[in-house]
Amino acid sequence: EPEVTQTPSHQVTQMGQEVILRCVPISNHLYFYWYRQILGQKVEFLVSFYNNEISEKSEIFDDQFSVERPDGSNFTLKIRSTKLEDSAMYFCASKGTSYEQYFGPGTRLTVT
Amino acid sequence: SQKIEQNSEALNIQEGKTATLTCNYTNYSPAYLQWYRQDPGRGPVFLLLIRENEKEKRKERLKVTFDTTLKQSLFHITASQPADSATYLCALDPTMFSGGYNKLIFGAGTRLAVHP
Repeated sequence: EPEVTQTPSHQVTQMGQEVILRCVPISNHLYFYWYRQILGQKVEFLVSFYNNEISEKSEIFDDQFSVERPDGSNFTLKIRSTKLEDSAMYFCASKGTSYEQYFGPGTRLTVT
Repeated sequence: SQKIEQNSEALNIQEGKTATLTCNYTNYSPAYLQWYRQDPGRGPVFLLLIRENEKEKRKERLKVTFDTTLKQSLFHITASQPADSATYLCALDPTMFSGGYNKLIFGAGTRLAVHP
């Protein structure tokens, strides 16, 4: 069964450093998302991406964040200058023509 | 303000019993509502979707109801097993119409523990 994959599974970085989280969505899906989940809290929407552009972003997704689909298979989330409060699980999700979203296993980002 | 609330943080039940989880929402008019399962340290896994014009949806031991008047969805697991122990999340698309890019807004989840 096709699945969404994410790398790395765990990333430790120092405050102020740039990180890139990578995702490979399900191959025939057209809609892509990033969510995050701070430990013990809700899953929160960050950004949706369709037709090679951002379709919607949340208040969390400020100028420090960017997304890209560089090569037609990968979907990346970049955080330019990480802060302590960016520590969270980051989930990539993709969606085809139906409404359900398929989530990856997540990347645990720890900012020290 | 818009809210999605799940009735309890944790629910403990005995194996074989029916678990019932509640999701209430305010100030949304979703065209459909979804339920996901999340295991510790893992991403949510889609379980069921119910549309606003459907009262009930079933899949194996799972049943979901949707009452748009009460703004509530109930999620039932019958004949529960220890393997059903997980956090269950309800989620909705806050846009008025069923088209669009379908971002999901999640409830905080209910942690279900099924004891042998």
